[in-house]
Amino acid sequence: GAVVSQHPSWVICKSGTSVKIECRSLDFQATTMFWYRQFPKQSLMLMATSNEGSKATYEQGVEKDKFLINHASLTLSTLTVTSAHPEDSSFYICSAWVPGELFFGEGSRLTVL
Amino acid sequence: DQQVKQNSPSLSVQEGRISILNCDYTNSMFDYFLWYKKYPAEGPTFLISISSIKDKNEDGRFTVFLNKSAKHLSLHIVPSQPGDSAVYFCAASDRVQGAQKLVFGQGTRLTINP
Repeated sequence: GAVVSQHPSWVICKSGTSVKIECRSLDFQATTMFWYRQFPKQSLMLMATSNEGSKATYEQGVEKDKFLINHASLTLSTLTVTSAHPEDSSFYICSAWVPGELFFGEGSRLTVL
Repeated sequence: DQQVKQNSPSLSVQEGRISILNCDYTNSMFDYFLWYKKYPAEGPTFLISISSIKDKNEDGRFTVFLNKSAKHLSLHIVPSQPGDSAVYFCAASDRVQGAQKLVFGQGTRLTINP
């Protein structure tokens, strides 16, 4: 099946720094990718829809200036957590839609000290 | 407002027995439902789905049942195996947003005991 890869899997950063997470579709082209966030023992919350070549669509309550999303090519979407704070520590997961199915990346765990 | 709810945070089942995971939803516009399995520190993997025009879909050991009048769906795993131990999420979508934009439940942690 289709493969979606995320990098890095784990990242630890200091408060105030910015962190970039990459999401790649390895064997298919994805015009649309999605970014989710999961807090411990909670549901996956959709943060934004990333559209290739255009601006991302953010869900209500998600700060677009805080979570910068870029979908520069059909195989790559990036999520940048700017000026990260400890409350941004979470598990971030991307997904890509192949007609009929949604494929998820392995996830990236961010810990902000 | 939690549109998709999994009221049981955890479930423990004996190996070989049936596991039943439940999910309730409130949005009557949802017409496509999916179940995902998730291991710690990994992304979810797709298990099985069902369209609202059906009431049952079966794939090997996994069967999903949908009761639209009750706005309830369930995932049956039989027989349960130790490798089934994971967190299971149900998800739903509607025609407007498309099946790619999903609303997830909180998840149920399934533990299969040998």
